[in-house]
Amino acid sequence: DSGVTQTPKHLITATGQRVTLRCSPRSGDLSVYWYQQSLDQGLQFLIQYYNGEERAKGNILERFSAQQFPDLHSELNLSSLELGDSALYFCASSVVGQGFEQYFGPGTRLTVT
Amino acid sequence: AQSVTQLGSHVSVSEGALVLLRCNYSSSVPPYLFWYVQYPNQGLQLLLKYTSAATLVKGINGFEAEFKKSETSFHLTKPSAHMSDAAEYFCAVSDRSGAGGTSYGKLTFGQGTILTVHP
Repeated sequence: DSGVTQTPKHLITATGQRVTLRCSPRSGDLSVYWYQQSLDQGLQFLIQYYNGEERAKGNILERFSAQQFPDLHSELNLSSLELGDSALYFCASSVVGQGFEQYFGPGTRLTVT
Repeated sequence: AQSVTQLGSHVSVSEGALVLLRCNYSSSVPPYLFWYVQYPNQGLQLLLKYTSAATLVKGINGFEAEFKKSETSFHLTKPSAHMSDAAEYFCAVSDRSGAGGTSYGKLTFGQGTILTVHP
């Protein structure tokens, strides 16, 4: 158990819908990262927050957004869903960004039908 | 831009044999390097990391990796494979850029190598 929790574990929804994925980092970790894992794209970095502020952006679509709340949990919002958004979404946390290992949650498997 | 190449999407070994999973990276400055393991239907678990201390890094479950700057490699090895090692392994690189010398820490992953262990 990494100490990072993600809910829900599975999510099935239809095209055009909007969903919210939730992540609680390990106690004491200020940095939260979101990654997407799909068969064709592999593991890709989406976005990072540090202590409530956006720190870095990767290949995140404009239809996707995220935020980190004062209690440090984070939410990833996916809207206008397309079939191609079906993937595993991982949240990871670390103490700080530099060189410190990231601890991954179990992931949320999103299926868009 | 950083990149990671894992040579071999599938590696098959016999139980008790040497495990060698290859990883080459591309980075303009010495990066931080990591190996993660993913078991079916689970998240990623850190095996080991290189952050510019010793070039030979020991990790969990008997794995180790050697950082070779001249070859831009960070191959993962284990002397004797066990059935429980069957999983997918990811090599990842993290940059050192960012204000004040800190790294934002985002990971760039290789495509993964699926390790199969035969009895």
